[in-house]
Amino acid sequence: AQSVTQLGSHVSVSEGALVLLRCNYSSSVPPYLFWYVQYPNQGLQLLLKYTTGATLVKGINGFEAEFKKSETSFHLTKPSAHMSDAAEYFCAVRLEGGYQKVTFGTGTKLQVIP
Amino acid sequence: DVKVTQSSRYLVKRTGEKVFLECVQDMDHENMFWYRQDPGLGLRLIYFSYDVKMKEKGDIPEGYSVSREKKERFSLILESASTNQTSMYLCASSATATAFFGQGTRLTVV
Repeated sequence: AQSVTQLGSHVSVSEGALVLLRCNYSSSVPPYLFWYVQYPNQGLQLLLKYTTGATLVKGINGFEAEFKKSETSFHLTKPSAHMSDAAEYFCAVRLEGGYQKVTFGTGTKLQVIP
Repeated sequence: DVKVTQSSRYLVKRTGEKVFLECVQDMDHENMFWYRQDPGLGLRLIYFSYDVKMKEKGDIPEGYSVSREKKERFSLILESASTNQTSMYLCASSATATAFFGQGTRLTVV
């Protein structure tokens, strides 16, 4: 079984500051890992994903995440927050192989302060 | 681009009604999913389907059923709607690692 823990249901940053959203996972086998973003009253949009290969993954809108197996983490970062980054962010995990059941974290709402 | 279309953005139904939520994808994906999203709980999987007429229970299937008669369409059915089923419902489809989501249906049961 797999699970995802997102630390902090709400995160506030100033415009231009570093964004760091934390995600830890548990999985008995190598996982696939994802970050999705949800704007108000919208569905989820994929930001980035890790499947295999390079552990530092770059996504859309300047976000990136690093897969750290030893820490079972997949934290999302962006060097400089923009007002348009205000949204809810979800970390998700899926086991390699088998049916593609994806397990989501509880989400982190990012507030960007002008 | 992959498109996943949910038939309604907003629905209001009465307690005890039978409710159908429809989802259509246009990319010939094998896998389709229904999630519900509630504040503080993230997305929870209700049912998923990996082929036509095939379905598997997710984490919270009670009170729901699904139908997949054609590859592109996956329906979620609330047999007798209850107020605790008021939620945002999200449909998704995938072929490989990535799931693509619809815009969501916000269902209110009164």
